[in-house]
Amino acid sequence: DQQVKQNSPSLSVQEGRISILNCDYTNSMFDYFLWYKKYPAEGPTFLISISSIKDKNEDGRFTVFLNKSAKHLSLHIVPSQPGDSAVYFCAASGGGSSNTGKLIFGQGTTLQVKP
Amino acid sequence: DAGITQSPRHKVTETGTPVTLRCHQTENHRYMYWYRQDPGHGLRLIHYSYGVKDTDKGEVSDGYSVSRSKTEDFLLTLESATSSQTSVYFCAISENGPPTDTQYFGPGTRLTVL
Repeated sequence: DQQVKQNSPSLSVQEGRISILNCDYTNSMFDYFLWYKKYPAEGPTFLISISSIKDKNEDGRFTVFLNKSAKHLSLHIVPSQPGDSAVYFCAASGGGSSNTGKLIFGQGTTLQVKP
Repeated sequence: DAGITQSPRHKVTETGTPVTLRCHQTENHRYMYWYRQDPGHGLRLIHYSYGVKDTDKGEVSDGYSVSRSKTEDFLLTLESATSSQTSVYFCAISENGPPTDTQYFGPGTRLTVL
């Protein structure tokens, strides 16, 4: 049972435009969410996080939105740059005693930003 | 960048042989994790450690064991490698642990089991 889902395997956007990456989760007890970026042959790099007590967190060009009622979060990148081309993973933690706070990752979305 | 190294970075081995992957950190963080990444699955937790000699199982722990005798080192052992364990393995560390702490990842080890 996939508790964290990224339903779009890939996304292509033009340089300068907005990139929106989506993530859905099923466990309503998740209380902390993160986004990671991964380049080929490298480890995931932390981008931004959000606690369930907030609905928005912003860091430079990156903004994460959390909609708890819909169990949905999204990552907005504005403006998109070619260097943003990578695989993006969302992850969630919390989840009550059955999860003990370990990170559960989505499958990833490959973003391509075209010059 | 978090001071995390993994060794080896690449390994090819044969079915049935034992394999040990090493994760080394210079951050003195308490929590360490081992994940595997496979197409269509994202990253899945194998084992984690919340202190020296304190470890617990993750989502996909069958066929793997771990040891942590020092704060800085976390070893992942495949007692008898199988082709299904061909994967990319990532180590991660965090300072304060779950549920709201951020994990930082090493560069990964690509393991191929023939």
